Amino acid sequence: GAVVSQHPSWVICKSGTSVKIECRSLDFQATTMFWYRQFPKQSLMLMATSNEGSKATYEQGVEKDKFLINHASLTLSTLTVTSAHPEDSSFYICSAPHPQLAKNIQYFGAGTRLSVL
Amino acid sequence: GQQLNQSPQSMFIQEGEDVSMNCTSSSIFNTWLWYKQDPGEGPVLLIALYKAGELTSNGRLTAQFGITRKDSFLNISASIPSDVGIYFCAGMKTSYDKVIFGPGTSLSVIP
Repeated sequence: GAVVSQHPSWVICKSGTSVKIECRSLDFQATTMFWYRQFPKQSLMLMATSNEGSKATYEQGVEKDKFLINHASLTLSTLTVTSAHPEDSSFYICSAPHPQLAKNIQYFGAGTRLSVL
Repeated sequence: GQQLNQSPQSMFIQEGEDVSMNCTSSSIFNTWLWYKQDPGEGPVLLIALYKAGELTSNGRLTAQFGITRKDSFLNISASIPSDVGIYFCAGMKTSYDKVIFGPGTSLSVIP
């Protein structure tokens, strides 16, 4: 079964609004989680590393004030897309390394499809 | 920056045929991963490789970690329709490190 859960799976919002996406580790604690973005027919691109109890680390070119990450507990990280615009429409996927399964290899959530109108 | 290349970009094969796809890197990784992604879903881990030269199987799937630590291949034997999807290779420098993804190989299986 799934070890990482994302919610919602699909969200449609109006331009200028903010959207929050949740990523939960199921039955294990994750001090680190990762957020990826995937545009149609492209690969996954890492956006940021979410660290429990400290600031997230953003990849080059990713606006930290636009993509707010909060890792409030050992099982939950949230990504908030602030003032979303149509160009932010994408597939957002989180992952977390599982400490017992496969030597800390990352397991991915099912993804969140964001459509900004 | 770190970059992975996958070949072929896409494949169309007949059901029952064997499949082979490759991944190369411009830098060394200490862990190689192969994921499969179905449309609208997150990637699912198929095989993880931890040592140079390692050959690992998972059912009809076999993958190898190249000796140079800059390449890996994935073979699928006796393909079936549910093998259709995008196959991504990925690399990690260390445990808990970020995963760098290749561009993917799209596999289509003709019944």
